[in-house]
Amino acid sequence: GESVGLHLPTLSVQEGDNSIINCAYSNSASDYFIWYKQESGKGPQFIIDIRSNMDKRQGQRVTVLLNKTVKHLSLQIAATQPGDSAVYFCAEISQAGTALIFGKGTTLSVSS
Amino acid sequence: KAGVTQTPRYLIKTRGQQVTLSCSPISGHRSVSWYQQTPGQGLQFLFEYFSETQRNKGNFPGRFSGRQFSNSRSEMNVSTLELGDSALYLCASSLAGGNQETQYFGPGTRLLVL
Repeated sequence: GESVGLHLPTLSVQEGDNSIINCAYSNSASDYFIWYKQESGKGPQFIIDIRSNMDKRQGQRVTVLLNKTVKHLSLQIAATQPGDSAVYFCAEISQAGTALIFGKGTTLSVSS
Repeated sequence: KAGVTQTPRYLIKTRGQQVTLSCSPISGHRSVSWYQQTPGQGLQFLFEYFSETQRNKGNFPGRFSGRQFSNSRSEMNVSTLELGDSALYLCASSLAGGNQETQYFGPGTRLLVL
């Protein structure tokens, strides 16, 4: 079946460190992936996306890597700041093309 | 451009009642999707509307329903509320709901069923 999961439920880092959040997906036919950040009391906020014809995409302080061979997705945050503290979700678009399938999320805690 | 808005932000209901939640998508977006978020089940897809038609539906009972209006605004309704319906209900919009389009989320409606 289709599912997206994250390897670690929590990640604690020091301010200024680089953070890496991982995600494994099971549907090899999925062709679009998104990372979302959710702060307490808010809805998920788009961070970055990647299509299956790419293996890397960079944004501002964030990089997403896609390894289709092992069905693995990661989000790298450079110079992590306290404001990056949130729950991070990876999501894939299902074969039906409209429903996002979410992993369970990783809680990132940044201490200064 | 204004983001996705949802009303109300908080609701308290009792078992057996029904509830209607509202979502206004980003201007120009015609696809609206609804998700339920709970600590136990995470984020789960409820349904998606495009051009006033339900185009895709998740694995939820028939008590959960929705509709979309000609201006793309959407409502979802939950009838005969159960305690387990307590959750954050999120609405997301995208231009046309294609499988390589980003969905943008609203702040959610937090529903508590007593």
